Amino acid sequence: DVKVTQSSRYLVKRTGEKVFLECVQDMDHENMFWYRQDPGLGLRLIYFSYDVKMKEKGDIPEGYSVSREKKERFSLILESASTNQTSMYLCASSLDPMNTEAFFGQGTRLTVV
Amino acid sequence: AQSVAQPEDQVNVAEGNPLTVKCTYSVSGNPYLFWYVQYPNRGLQFLLKYITGDNLVKGSYGFEAEFNKSQTSFHLKKPSALVSDSALYFCAVREPLMDSNYQLIWGAGTKLIIKP
Repeated sequence: DVKVTQSSRYLVKRTGEKVFLECVQDMDHENMFWYRQDPGLGLRLIYFSYDVKMKEKGDIPEGYSVSREKKERFSLILESASTNQTSMYLCASSLDPMNTEAFFGQGTRLTVV
Repeated sequence: AQSVAQPEDQVNVAEGNPLTVKCTYSVSGNPYLFWYVQYPNRGLQFLLKYITGDNLVKGSYGFEAEFNKSQTSFHLKKPSALVSDSALYFCAVREPLMDSNYQLIWGAGTKLIIKP
């Protein structure tokens, strides 16, 4: 059974804190993605990576960075958390560059106070 | 740029009735279209995709989607709704990135409520 695991389901952080969201997949997928999900806006791509140590900006990268030191792990970093980063964060992976089917983690609901 | 629109924020259907969740798209070239479902407190799950071929695509959990090129639509359908189908449904279209990679462009989502 394929699996994408996000390290936390719920997080509460203070404004200005550095926040790490971790994602691990066990499917040997090349491509990994971080999305942000907000009501009425669907999913918006923050960053993606199609190889180890490779990263590319998505549609809303401001205030975020990522790290992919190993193929199975893709981390999202909020350098200095702000209240407007309160959201649901979804990690996904896919096997091929076509991204024809993505597998998602269960999501991390982050609240910044 | 590619885009998809889901015109309904919410769809209410009685159990046992047919359901339709609407999606329209705007693309340059041939569309690659997807439906995903998100059950409460869970991540998204792939339902089905259209790449080429038959306009009627069958997917998981008894769902199907009809691709209509002239109307630029890709509506999700099920002949008989179950209460357990209640969830958030997303339509998505593939958009090319650099180096032969792609990303998915997502609709805003439609909340489907099936009433007993």
